[in-house]
Amino acid sequence: AQSVTQLGSHVSVSEGALVLLRCNYSSSVPPYLFWYVQYPNQGLQLLLKYTTGATLVKGINGFEAEFKKSETSFHLTKPSAHMSDAAEYFCAVTQNRDDKIIFGKGTRLHILP
Amino acid sequence: DADVTQTPRNRITKTGKRIMLECSQTKGHDRMYWYRQDPGLGLRLIYYSFDVKDINKGEISDGYSVSRQAQAKFSLSLESAIPNQTALYFCATSELTSGTDTQYFGPGTRLTVL
Repeated sequence: AQSVTQLGSHVSVSEGALVLLRCNYSSSVPPYLFWYVQYPNQGLQLLLKYTTGATLVKGINGFEAEFKKSETSFHLTKPSAHMSDAAEYFCAVTQNRDDKIIFGKGTRLHILP
Repeated sequence: DADVTQTPRNRITKTGKRIMLECSQTKGHDRMYWYRQDPGLGLRLIYYSFDVKDINKGEISDGYSVSRQAQAKFSLSLESAIPNQTALYFCATSELTSGTDTQYFGPGTRLTVL
């Protein structure tokens, strides 16, 4: 069975500092991986996704994530945090096009002035 | 106009009442989903539908039912609401792109059961 683990339910970084949100997955077959973001009082929206091909995936708002099969990881990074990045971030995995997407429990990102 | 809409946005009800949450989409997607979000638990899938004649239980379907009235409409019902169904409920739609689904979420319905 597939699963997702997000390390840290809350992460705080200073404005301008590197953002690193960790995600590890479990899957018996090559996975499809996603990061979604939820701003306050809104639904989730897709940041980026990995399906096949290049393992470094670039998304919206300067975020990127790297699929590392050997580490079963898909960590999300952004070189320089902005106050507007404060939100909750969800990592998700699915195994194929007809499978349900399994979401992690989320990491709330706080940006310190 | 929003592509995925949910009504109502907020609802307070009492234990034992029947509640219906509605979802409509203008994206033309075949696949629709209902999730609930609880603090610290992330999103959990309640029901999903891959087309009008297809309904499937998700991870936590007990106490819930759904109806897919049309491609664009997917309703979630709580037949007899209980306090532990207090949560934020999201509807989502999806399409197949690059070999897998990309999900599009509505704004959510905050349900409180007293």
